[in-house]
Amino acid sequence: DSGVTQTPKHLITATGQRVTLRCSPRSGDLSVYWYQQSLDQGLQFLIQYYNGEERAKGNILERFSAQQFPDLHSELNLSSLELGDSALYFCASSVGGGLSDTQYFGPGTRLTVL
Amino acid sequence: GESVGLHLPTLSVQEGDNSIINCAYSNSASDYFIWYKQESGKGPQFIIDIRSNMDKRQGQRVTVLLNKTVKHLSLQIAATQPGDSAVYFCAERRDDKIIFGKGTRLHILP
Repeated sequence: DSGVTQTPKHLITATGQRVTLRCSPRSGDLSVYWYQQSLDQGLQFLIQYYNGEERAKGNILERFSAQQFPDLHSELNLSSLELGDSALYFCASSVGGGLSDTQYFGPGTRLTVL
Repeated sequence: GESVGLHLPTLSVQEGDNSIINCAYSNSASDYFIWYKQESGKGPQFIIDIRSNMDKRQGQRVTVLLNKTVKHLSLQIAATQPGDSAVYFCAERRDDKIIFGKGTRLHILP
């Protein structure tokens, strides 16, 4: 158990809908990262927040957005969902904001778009 | 279990033997490398990392080797155990992002 929690574990929805994925980092960690893992693209970095502020951006679509709240939990919002958005979404956390800080991954949310 | 990737390279190793998992990276400016292990149904788990000013780093039962000349990274697992069965990813720090490789599935033979 990494100490990072993600909810829900599974999510099934329809095209065009909007969903919110939630992540609670390990106690004491200030950074949260979001990743998408799909069969064809592998593990792709989406976005990083550090202490409430956006720190780095990866291959995140404009239909997707994220935020980190004062209590350091984070939410990833996915809107206008398409079939291709079906994937595993992982959250990771680290103590600091540097990329050489060890990232601890949560168990993931499996999103299925029908 | 979950499939984390289609057509992943697979390495089959006899239990007790040493495993060597290889990874090639493309950007000579990458300065930090990480190996992750992902078991079925779980998120990636940090194994070991290495900075570009090093050639070798050892952990518990694992060794990472970095050859910057040919842009090659390897993970050696000593005395492979059934619990080592997983998908292994290398990752590199490039342009302020962590870029993951496609992964190699390690299969342990009894």
